[in-house]
Amino acid sequence: GQNIDQPTEMTATEGAIVQINCTYQTSGFNGLFWYQQHAGEAPTFLSYNVLDGLEEKGRFSSFLSRSKGYSYLLLKELQMKDSASYLCAVMDSNYQLIWGAGTKLIIKP
Amino acid sequence: IAGITQAPTSQILAAGRRMTLRCTQDMRHNAMYWYRQDLGLGLRLIHYSNTAGTTGKGEVPDGYSVSRANTDDFPLTLASAVPSQTSVYFCASSLQGTTGELFFGEGSRLTVL
Repeated sequence: GQNIDQPTEMTATEGAIVQINCTYQTSGFNGLFWYQQHAGEAPTFLSYNVLDGLEEKGRFSSFLSRSKGYSYLLLKELQMKDSASYLCAVMDSNYQLIWGAGTKLIIKP
Repeated sequence: IAGITQAPTSQILAAGRRMTLRCTQDMRHNAMYWYRQDLGLGLRLIHYSNTAGTTGKGEVPDGYSVSRANTDDFPLTLASAVPSQTSVYFCASSLQGTTGELFFGEGSRLTVL
């Protein structure tokens, strides 16, 4: 079967750096996506990786290794507003998005 | 600038009743989706539509139906609601069905008693 694994919850300190990992096993691969979801709100798109390597977008970066079935989302200079759930999703060979359960990130002052 | 709009935002429903969740987008996106989100589980696809006039079944389609009469609207109907359908429902759209950048509505919280 297809599955996406990511930690359920992580805690970090304001101003620090945190890395959220995602491993996947899917039928084919057409890209990996990260979304941010604040409590009680809709998910919003953060990043997209289809080739191996690091994609940087401001304070957020996303890394992909297709051979290892692995990605991470790196958040730098953490702010309180970064407290949210981070969802990892992979698009399979049928162009269906397979979603992880999300990682709840708690930022402490 | 609306983007994608869902209605209602919240509803309590008696088991056995029929319910339609509405979804409208003004971005002229070809693809639209309905997901449910339950605590501890990832988003699960109920139904999708890659273009007006076509629909497809997702991971958890039983008990739900959809229609796509035009580009903008994609209603989700629960023919006879059951308590296990208590969930938060998200409508989403993307430019194409092969695009993973989805735009989500604000969600509809449905409670079936």
